Amino acid sequence: GENVEQHPSTLSVQEGDSAVIKCTYSDSASNYFPWYKQELGKRPQLIIDIRSNVGEKKDQRIAVTLNKTAKHFSLHITETQPEDSAVYFCAHSFSGNTPLVFGKGTRLSVIA
Amino acid sequence: NAGVTQTPKFRVLKTGQSMTLLCAQDMNHEYMYWYRQDPGMGLRLIHYSVGEGTTAKGEVPDGYNVSRLKKQNFLLGLESAAPSQTSVYFCASSPRKGGSYNEQFFGPGTRLTVL
Repeated sequence: GENVEQHPSTLSVQEGDSAVIKCTYSDSASNYFPWYKQELGKRPQLIIDIRSNVGEKKDQRIAVTLNKTAKHFSLHITETQPEDSAVYFCAHSFSGNTPLVFGKGTRLSVIA
Repeated sequence: NAGVTQTPKFRVLKTGQSMTLLCAQDMNHEYMYWYRQDPGMGLRLIHYSVGEGTTAKGEVPDGYNVSRLKKQNFLLGLESAAPSQTSVYFCASSPRKGGSYNEQFFGPGTRLTVL
């Protein structure tokens, strides 16, 4: 019940297009859903997160949507730029007493 | 603030050698974590701590030990290194707010090679 499935594993888009990454979880008790960005050779950094009492959250060009009924959440990046190229990880916490479980990552390449 | 720091940045060990990785944070966070990152495997939790003097096993704890004697430090030990432990190790910390987990702040990583 702890695993999170992340798709796709790689994604290439043209600069200016949108990118969508989706994660599916199995435990209905999950209540915290962050997204981390990791540039090559760097540490992961939080870019956006959402809690189970909210269905959507936006921050400039990035947004996260949560569908608790279907148990999936997605990262949306609009107007992609070359600097968006990185590995993106979704994660979830299925209770307040257990740490995050991370997806295996999506390598996004934005082609200029 | 330095945030989360890790020592060393790189290390090469021979099979059977031991070593300790040090993680330090200056944000007064209650929670600290050790992950390993391997190609295509994402971030896998080794051990974590919810407070000084407490530790718990994560997803892949075998071959590792940890200690949290001080709130700001979290040590990861390899008693007898094996080639399968070649990886990039990340430490992270997070605050306790409202009884739930929150943003994790990661250190720069330690690249370990076991020959």
